[in-house]
Amino acid sequence: DVKVTQSSRYLVKRTGEKVFLECVQDMDHENMFWYRQDPGLGLRLIYFSYDVKMKEKGDIPEGYSVSREKKERFSLILESASTNQTSMYLCASSFSGTYSNQPQHFGDGTRLSIL
Amino acid sequence: EDQVTQSPEALRLQEGESSSLNCSYTVSGLRGLFWYRQDPGKGPEFLFTLYSAGEEKEKERLKATLTKKESFLHITAPKPEDSATYLCAVQANPPRNMLTFGGGTRLMVKP
Repeated sequence: DVKVTQSSRYLVKRTGEKVFLECVQDMDHENMFWYRQDPGLGLRLIYFSYDVKMKEKGDIPEGYSVSREKKERFSLILESASTNQTSMYLCASSFSGTYSNQPQHFGDGTRLSIL
Repeated sequence: EDQVTQSPEALRLQEGESSSLNCSYTVSGLRGLFWYRQDPGKGPEFLFTLYSAGEEKEKERLKATLTKKESFLHITAPKPEDSATYLCAVQANPPRNMLTFGGGTRLMVKP
């Protein structure tokens, strides 16, 4: 079974802090994704990566950056946390290339509160 | 622009009362349509992928179907443990490889 593990289930931080969210997958997937999920707005893509050290902006990248130094690990960074970044953050991974129409598999999410 | 609309937003059923959830989509070339189940406080769990109109997939009490404009998730004789939010997402043909999600249908099954 595919396993996508997010380092924290719940996180509370203060405005202005630099926040790191970590995600690890064990399926040797090329693609990794970061989403945020908010009531009434659904799932929105922040950033994705299709290879080590490669990244692409999603629909809402402002205020975020990412890092992918190893194939299995994808980090989301909030450079200076603000209260409007309070949300549920979901990491996902999938194959690319010929198998890119295979499903994305999700972690259990990190519920982040910025005070 | 790819769009996905799910209806209804919320659905209350009695245990054993069958029904269907709808996912209408517009996409510039469908590469795949995905159904997920999401329990409160958890990430989406993959259920089905459908690739072409006329295709059907089944898993226990769930059956997903696909036409050129919409997909249905039929729930036969649901049980309380089927209560969850069901998400639909579409993937367009390359180069755009990302998923576009609908807003979800929150299903509540009462015993």
